[in-house]
Formats: sequence, C-alpha cells, structure tokens
Amino acid sequence: DAGVIQSPRHEVTEMGQEVTLRCKPISGHNSLFWYRQTMMRGLELLIYFNNNVPIDDSGMPEDRFSAKMPNASFSTLKIQPSEPRDSAVYFCASSLREKAYEQYFGPGTRLTVT
Amino acid sequence: GNSVTQMEGPVTLSEEAFLTINCTYTATGYPSLFWYVQYPGEGLQLLLKATKADDKGSNKGFEATYRKETTSFHLEKGSVQVSDSAVYFCALSDRNRDDKIIFGKGTRLHILP
Repeated sequence: DAGVIQSPRHEVTEMGQEVTLRCKPISGHNSLFWYRQTMMRGLELLIYFNNNVPIDDSGMPEDRFSAKMPNASFSTLKIQPSEPRDSAVYFCASSLREKAYEQYFGPGTRLTVT
Repeated sequence: GNSVTQMEGPVTLSEEAFLTINCTYTATGYPSLFWYVQYPGEGLQLLLKATKADDKGSNKGFEATYRKETTSFHLEKGSVQVSDSAVYFCALSDRNRDDKIIFGKGTRLHILP
C-alpha cells in the first residue's frame, strides 16, 4: 500500500520565487503534520491538521508560509516569497488522530533557495 | 513546557557492539515516550513506544524502558549491525494536551563493519 506521498522530491528555486510543496496522506488517516528539518534547528513542527482543519500553526515561521488542506487526501505548504534561509528538508506526516504518536512520514522534499 | 534531551552524536561503534543512546525528558503531565529512526534519505519511522511508567518498548532488537523516577527513556541494543546506521530521535507526546510529538535533536549512529 502507498505511504505518504510528497512532491516534488527536490526543488531548487531562486530567492523571491513562490514554492509549493504537496502531500498526499495515507488513505484513512485524519491527522496531517508538516515539519521542517535542518542541521541547525533539527526537526520543527510547522503546522498540523485534524480532519482537514488547521489546529496549531504556531510553528509557521512567518507570514510567508501558508498551508492548506482542501480535502482529506491533499495538502499544500506554500512559501511566498522564498528566501535562502528556507532551505531545508520539508516532511509531511499523517496519522490516525487517536494514534497521533504513530506518525507515518513521507520521503521529504529537499528545498534549496539560491 | 515539555522537552526531550538526548545525547549528541555522532556515535560510532563496531558491528556487534552494545549500544546505548541516552534520553531524558521534562513533562508536566504523563507523557508517552517514543523512539523514531531515520534511515538515510528517508522520513522518520516509529521504532518503539512506551505509554506509562515501567513499560518497556521493544522492536528489531532495540529496547527502551520508561523510567519515571529518572525521567529517562534510554535506547539499547545488545549487538548492533551495519544496517542500524541511522539517526535516532527520542520523542514524547501528551494526549491530554494536544496531538503534537516533541522530538529530540537526534543522534546519528555509525556502525563500522
């Protein structure tokens, strides 16, 4: 069965451009999490959704970042405009809400902003 | 607030050596504790869990015991293999608060053949 699917796997863009990262959670999962991983800051939770509703976006760095979940099978994380300090690996994870500790991570999107 | 502290890496061991990765936590409630593992080029995956004091989580030869008196959840394996080379994350969650997982910074493990 398919796990969490993320696209693109790699993204290289220039400073100031808009970047959209996509995630398809595991079918039947009703919680979705977006994380950012860097060497300096480790793994950071950006935002999470329960039943497509954003619950906590306190980890979103600033207004340049936005996330949506229009339906149970799709979510996007958008950065506009992008900056070099946004370079990181972005992970999407999904879970059953009643087992939120057992999160299934996607392979990640490696973003490089030049 | 809740937090997790784990030993800094990298940790380098020879194959068949005994492994310990230390983890301590701070929590105001009664958290559940976890170890996640990240293999090169992949996302994290749950390795083992313990939901209450004195529980022992185990999987793939790895073990960790929830010690409330020392607020610790150290990861151990009796004989490591090259395939165990990865980054290991200690984590906690408190369902009475929210659905978040608080991750440690990760410990990179290198196993030499």
